[in-house]
Amino acid sequence: GENVEQHPSTLSVQEGDSAVIKCTYSDSASNYFPWYKQELGKRPQLIIDIRSNVGEKKDQRIAVTLNKTAKHFSLHITETQPEDSAVYFCAASFIYNQGGKLIFGQGTELSVKP
Amino acid sequence: EPEVTQTPSHQVTQMGQEVILRCVPISNHLYFYWYRQILGQKVEFLVSFYNNEISEKSEIFDDQFSVERPDGSNFTLKIRSTKLEDSAMYFCASSDGPGETQYFGPGTRLTVL
Repeated sequence: GENVEQHPSTLSVQEGDSAVIKCTYSDSASNYFPWYKQELGKRPQLIIDIRSNVGEKKDQRIAVTLNKTAKHFSLHITETQPEDSAVYFCAASFIYNQGGKLIFGQGTELSVKP
Repeated sequence: EPEVTQTPSHQVTQMGQEVILRCVPISNHLYFYWYRQILGQKVEFLVSFYNNEISEKSEIFDDQFSVERPDGSNFTLKIRSTKLEDSAMYFCASSDGPGETQYFGPGTRLTVL
């Protein structure tokens, strides 16, 4: 079945360091890969996404890379700040005319120490 | 900026009771979703809805679950006979296209006693 594996489950970095979170997906038909940030007790919020026709996308301190052949994608956060501390979820989706469900990874709890 | 809203924020119910969770998607969106998140676990897909029909549902979404768009603004999730294991945070999401960003509501925390 469809599955997304995410690693690591917890990540602790010093402020200013980089953080990398990796995901692999099983459904080769997946064509949309968003990343969500979830603070404690809050809703998941989209921080960046990438589609299958693109290998890399960057937005200020956040970048995502996609390797379709290997079926994995990664989130890179540079110059981390304490406010980056949260749980980050990757997701994969196959888009079709009637919608596109998101299959989420298990989440990575990122802690940025000042 | 428009947001998805959900009511109630917290619902406590007895096992076997029916609950209805309500969502108001972003007004120009046409694609609607329900997800759930058991405490400390990942977000899980339940159902997607488009053009007044379920377009896809997961194994979790069994006969005890149903969805409805009773009017032009609300999107509801009904659980007919709640079980202890239904206790979770339920998120509604909406998007304006099949490949567009899904925006999540703040969630309803369901506690089944």
